Amino acid sequence: SQTIHQWPATLVQPVGSPLSLECTVEGTSNPNLYWYRQAAGRGLQLLFYSVGIGQISSEVPQNLSASRPQDRQFILSSKKLLLSDSGFYLCAWRGGMNTEAFFGQGTRLTVV
Amino acid sequence: AQSVSQHNHHVILSEAASLELGCNYSYGGTVNLFWYVQYPGQHLQLLLKYFSGDPLVKGIKGFEAEFIKSKFSFNLRKPSVQWSDTAEYFCAVIHNNAGNMLTFGGGTRLMVKP
Repeated sequence: SQTIHQWPATLVQPVGSPLSLECTVEGTSNPNLYWYRQAAGRGLQLLFYSVGIGQISSEVPQNLSASRPQDRQFILSSKKLLLSDSGFYLCAWRGGMNTEAFFGQGTRLTVV
Repeated sequence: AQSVSQHNHHVILSEAASLELGCNYSYGGTVNLFWYVQYPGQHLQLLLKYFSGDPLVKGIKGFEAEFIKSKFSFNLRKPSVQWSDTAEYFCAVIHNNAGNMLTFGGGTRLMVKP
């Protein structure tokens, strides 16, 4: 069966420090991968999605970037965190057309 | 860009009341539609999905949703809510002409009073 791993679960980082959040999927190949940020009252904001290795689509211009160095690995990064980057970050995967998305447990990022 | 609107941000109901949460999406064409639920302290779970066929979709825990193509809507319903339905509900859409972009609505917080 397929599983999705996202870590760390919580992270406290100072302003100006770099960020790397990792998401990996097991039990499937060539998944579509997504990074979302969830904020209270604002739902899930799609940040990046990827349909294959090295293919990244960005939905919101911001201080973050994403990379997909391997088929089942999706990384969310920042060179210098801002206070406004605080939030709850979710990774998700889905198969091809007519499939639902499955979510990781999320990372609570606090920038101080 | 495609968008998903959930008009009710907060809903408070008493147990046994009926529920309907609105969801509208932009753009026509072929879509996949979803409702996800997030119970307090838990991760997102799929409640139900529509890909094609019968526009009335049955999900888990007595929920259902109806796809009305002419109204670009996919409203969630439950005839009689329970206290355990207290959660946040998210509508989501994949527009098949927009690659694999999965877009969520802003969510609706449902509180059911015992």
